[in-house]
Amino acid sequence: ETGVTQTPRHLVMGMTNKKSLKCEQHLGHNAMYWYKQSAKKPLELMFVYNFKEQTENNSVPSRFSPECPNSSHLFLHLHTLQPEDSALYLCASSQTGVVIEKLFFGSGTQLSVL
Amino acid sequence: AQTVTQSQPEMSVQEAETVTLSCTYDTSESDYYLFWYKQPPSRQMILVIRQEAYKQQNATENRFSVNFQKAAKSFSLKISDSQLGDAAMYFCAYRSAQGQGGSEKLVFGKGTKLTVNP
Repeated sequence: ETGVTQTPRHLVMGMTNKKSLKCEQHLGHNAMYWYKQSAKKPLELMFVYNFKEQTENNSVPSRFSPECPNSSHLFLHLHTLQPEDSALYLCASSQTGVVIEKLFFGSGTQLSVL
Repeated sequence: AQTVTQSQPEMSVQEAETVTLSCTYDTSESDYYLFWYKQPPSRQMILVIRQEAYKQQNATENRFSVNFQKAAKSFSLKISDSQLGDAAMYFCAYRSAQGQGGSEKLVFGKGTKLTVNP
């Protein structure tokens, strides 16, 4: 039981499609994150939500649209993606507070854009 | 901006042997945190070990230990008595100690793929 669940596990979409990635955490955390993992590149932080408010948008193209309806759920809406957007998209959560907390990750959604 | 460099794309080790994974970072800050995360084939990343920069003592977690050289900006991970389950991608990560609004924003390296041979 990871505590952070991502669906779907795999996704293939055309450049004109609209799809959404879902992340759910059962850990009672306040912060949630989207990371992009591409082959041979460092993980890239995309978005951060803290208590449902977006606190970080790391210059992500507008074809990626995050949504955080509550502290337990995080979505990434995708539209008109490009082939270079193909990657593993990882969701993570953490507990905010004074101490430094580790990130808890989901197993990711492997996205292929055709 | 901080950067993290892992110069070994791939490493291999025999079961029960010891292996060291390298990580260097670039920062102008004096206070920060360093992490090693493991990503097995299941793709779920798991924290292996972490180090506070203000602590001189190297962190250890069972078979995992680090060699933290602050002046050299080096943070290597040593895995002793390697096991088949240690096979994974290992990512080094940096976190500034400066206020981040309560969230944990990490800067990751590209990763090192570790193969454990029986």
